[in-house]
Amino acid sequence: GNSVTQMEGPVTLSEEAFLTINCTYTATGYPSLFWYVQYPGEGLQLLLKATKADDKGSNKGFEATYRKETTSFHLEKGSVQVSDSAVYFCALSDAGANSKLTFGKGITLSVRP
Amino acid sequence: DTAVSQTPKYLVTQMGNDKSIKCEQNLGHDTMYWYKQDSKKFLKIMFSYNNKELIINETVPNRFSPKSPDKAHLNLHINSLELGDSAVYFCASSQWDRGAYGYTFGSGTRLTVV
Repeated sequence: GNSVTQMEGPVTLSEEAFLTINCTYTATGYPSLFWYVQYPGEGLQLLLKATKADDKGSNKGFEATYRKETTSFHLEKGSVQVSDSAVYFCALSDAGANSKLTFGKGITLSVRP
Repeated sequence: DTAVSQTPKYLVTQMGNDKSIKCEQNLGHDTMYWYKQDSKKFLKIMFSYNNKELIINETVPNRFSPKSPDKAHLNLHINSLELGDSAVYFCASSQWDRGAYGYTFGSGTRLTVV
């Protein structure tokens, strides 16, 4: 079955530091890949997505590239802000109709001033 | 306008009680889901409905019963609540033929069983 593996957390960074959160996946076929973010006390929001190999998803300064050869979708940001403190989830869904989202375990990011 | 709304936001109840959580979406999506997030933030799908038809039913105790009166609503009824049911429950929706574009989630219902 499908699975998503995220690096262990939590992660604590200083403001303006570079962020990388690793994500690898196991799936049959060609899944779509996502990063979701959950701010404290809120629901999940779609941060970015990529639907095919070599696609780069980007939003709010975050980026992730769909790497089929390494089955990875690492999240990066060049300069984090305190407001980026949240839980980040990597997820995948099979292509096609009725695609179930499979999530990684999530990682908590804390950014200190 | 809230796209996916859940009620209540918080629910505290005693063991053995029966409770319901409601979910409504105004996005015109035809598929809705319930996810459970445990204390370690892990998210796992419980159910999905497409046009009022049950599509996904993961390994969930039969004390949990989803009901979809129409494609804009998906409610979750839980019988004989147990301590282990304490979690945050998220409703989500998507369009069947655009599942690969991701879901829209509600803000969650924090259930605490005491």
